[in-house]
Amino acid sequence: EVVLTQSPATLSLSPGESATLSCRASQSVGSSLVWYQQKPGQAPRLLIYDASNRATGVPARFSGSGSGTDFTLTISSLEPGDFAVYYCQHRSDWPRPFGQGTRVGIK
Amino acid sequence: QVELVESGGGVVQPGGSLRLSCAASGFVFSHHGMNWVRQAPGKGLEWVANIWNDGTKKFYADSVKGRFTISRDDSKNRLYLQVNSLRVEDTAMYFCARDVHNGVFDPWGQGTLVIVSS
Repeated sequence: EVVLTQSPATLSLSPGESATLSCRASQSVGSSLVWYQQKPGQAPRLLIYDASNRATGVPARFSGSGSGTDFTLTISSLEPGDFAVYYCQHRSDWPRPFGQGTRVGIK
Repeated sequence: QVELVESGGGVVQPGGSLRLSCAASGFVFSHHGMNWVRQAPGKGLEWVANIWNDGTKKFYADSVKGRFTISRDDSKNRLYLQVNSLRVEDTAMYFCARDVHNGVFDPWGQGTLVIVSS
């Protein structure tokens, strides 16, 4: 079973700064990596699929990269609505666990 | 627009059962696989179960295998999760999510809360 490890657990940043979130897989998942955003009290929202493809309506300041075991979600120039928890998940096999999440908080 | 609305949660004693439901609208339900994902209070997301669009295959997390059953009724545009032998650690918000690209979940419903407590 693939295990996804996200780092850091928490990021404290100011609006306008950039955020770099990491997701590492215990074995290769190719490019089958998905990122979700979850704000407090809300359901998760799809951001990025297949490592680097933005979902419909996702602003260009969100970008994903990586393949194999190492993946990155970058948020350039954080806006107030971007402070949330971000989860990665793979879709290369069953089961399909999520990473433990990275909380992006306001400094 | 595409919408998923969960229902059926509640407070149940350990060992009890519930049937969770997810009503889908705004898309051709029978064209999509569906998933259940849960989130314990203050914790991260845990994928629970998946059912293919034609219902021929079902997959479960090890933590629920043998206790939970996913099913669908395409005539009613509904997804279900039968949860049996509930444990305190099953307490969570349960979300349904449409599968749009073999493992890409979009959108998600707002969830239904299951509390297992004596």
